[in-house]
Amino acid sequence: AQSVTQLDSQVPVFEEAPVELRCNYSSSVSVYLFWYVQYPNQGLQLLLKYLSGSTLVKGINGFEAEFNKSQTSFHLRKPSVHISDTAEYFCAVIAGGTSYGKLTFGQGTILTVHP
Amino acid sequence: EAGVAQSPRYKIIEKRQSVAFWCNPISGHATLYWYQQILGQGPKLLIQFQNNGVVDDSQLPKDRFSAERLKGVDSTLKIQPAKLEDSAVYLCASSFTRMGAGNYEQYFGPGTRLTVT
Repeated sequence: AQSVTQLDSQVPVFEEAPVELRCNYSSSVSVYLFWYVQYPNQGLQLLLKYLSGSTLVKGINGFEAEFNKSQTSFHLRKPSVHISDTAEYFCAVIAGGTSYGKLTFGQGTILTVHP
Repeated sequence: EAGVAQSPRYKIIEKRQSVAFWCNPISGHATLYWYQQILGQGPKLLIQFQNNGVVDDSQLPKDRFSAERLKGVDSTLKIQPAKLEDSAVYLCASSFTRMGAGNYEQYFGPGTRLTVT
């Protein structure tokens, strides 16, 4: 079974600083990788996804992530964060060969941006 | 485009009572998911429907949880009887993905926060 590990449960950072949220997944023949964001009392919103092709994926709100197959990682980055980026971020994976797209989520990383 | 609708948004019940949640997916989305998100954890898939058929219910506690998706559109998730450990947010999501094709993107509703006392 697939598993996803988000290495930091909480990440505090100052406004306009860069940030990296780390995600590792258990190995599989092929995977599809996702980052979702959850604002308080809201559902999850897709930030970006990797299905195939370029390993550097750009998403909404200035976020990007890099798929590293050898390290089984999919870290999320943003060069300069805003107060409005304060939220919980979830890394998720679909194992290749799963016909119907079952998502396995990590435990989440709470990003807090301080002024 | 209207998003995934869920109701109610909040529910408080006593243990051993029953409760039901409703979800209306995005129009045209064949796949519907129910997730349980316990505080401090990531969402966990409870059940997945493709149209009105069950694709995966391996993590659904079938002794107390049930779900249906009549006519392949909206869905209900029921808990009977509820336990304290069922306190969580129940998220519904839908996807256009079918038979391995599509972009696998799931669209989530706002969730129902259940508190069992």
